[in-house]
Amino acid sequence: DAGITQSPRYKITETGRQVTLMCHQTWSHSYMFWYRQDLGHGLRLIYYSAAADITDKGEVPDGYVVSRSKTENFPLTLESATRSQTSVYFCASSLVGLAGNEQFFGPGTRLTVL
Amino acid sequence: QQQVKQSPQSLIVQKGGISIINCAYENTAFDYFPWYQQFPGKGPALLIAIRPDVSEKKEGRFTISFNKSAKQFSLHIMDSQPGDSATYFCAASMLRFQGAQKLVFGQGTRLTINP
Repeated sequence: DAGITQSPRYKITETGRQVTLMCHQTWSHSYMFWYRQDLGHGLRLIYYSAAADITDKGEVPDGYVVSRSKTENFPLTLESATRSQTSVYFCASSLVGLAGNEQFFGPGTRLTVL
Repeated sequence: QQQVKQSPQSLIVQKGGISIINCAYENTAFDYFPWYQQFPGKGPALLIAIRPDVSEKKEGRFTISFNKSAKQFSLHIMDSQPGDSATYFCAASMLRFQGAQKLVFGQGTRLTINP
């Protein structure tokens, strides 16, 4: 039972480069989310998806792009990485979107932008 | 109005003591308040959650106290153990919102339980 996985777990890149973080879940959950975790800010929602081909912005979407062609995958792309995007990124999924349904988080990707 | 403010940032408690973490919110539309626990190198995991129709919820050594009029809620860990050492996040969302559960998280509290 793999659950929700993220890759890579660690990534170092340079300013201006494109980076894609992968998220894969095996539960067939409808909803998927991307958060970034920064000291002093907790977790902040970047983008979320209600189903394949349905995505919407969260609190901090600028500089990020998402897609969801398959239910199980939800990649996050930084089109031109900036130092301010250095963070730990977490993907999460939930069975249905209604509040009160648990979100299950992946192990995270630590991204450093030099 | 979307913020959830959490305190303290860090907390050190002796084994067997009571750990208390506090959160406050502004948006009165919030009506679901979960707490997440995160161990180093792991993603957050749901610990316990409360809805505002009750003032307290207890699960084992973990209790959420909720004060709707003050717009505050807190996590109490009784008989704290070294294995409870982790970062704790409070969060809030709106049950009535049709669609994705967009959680608004507090800033996190790093809890250390000394043996």
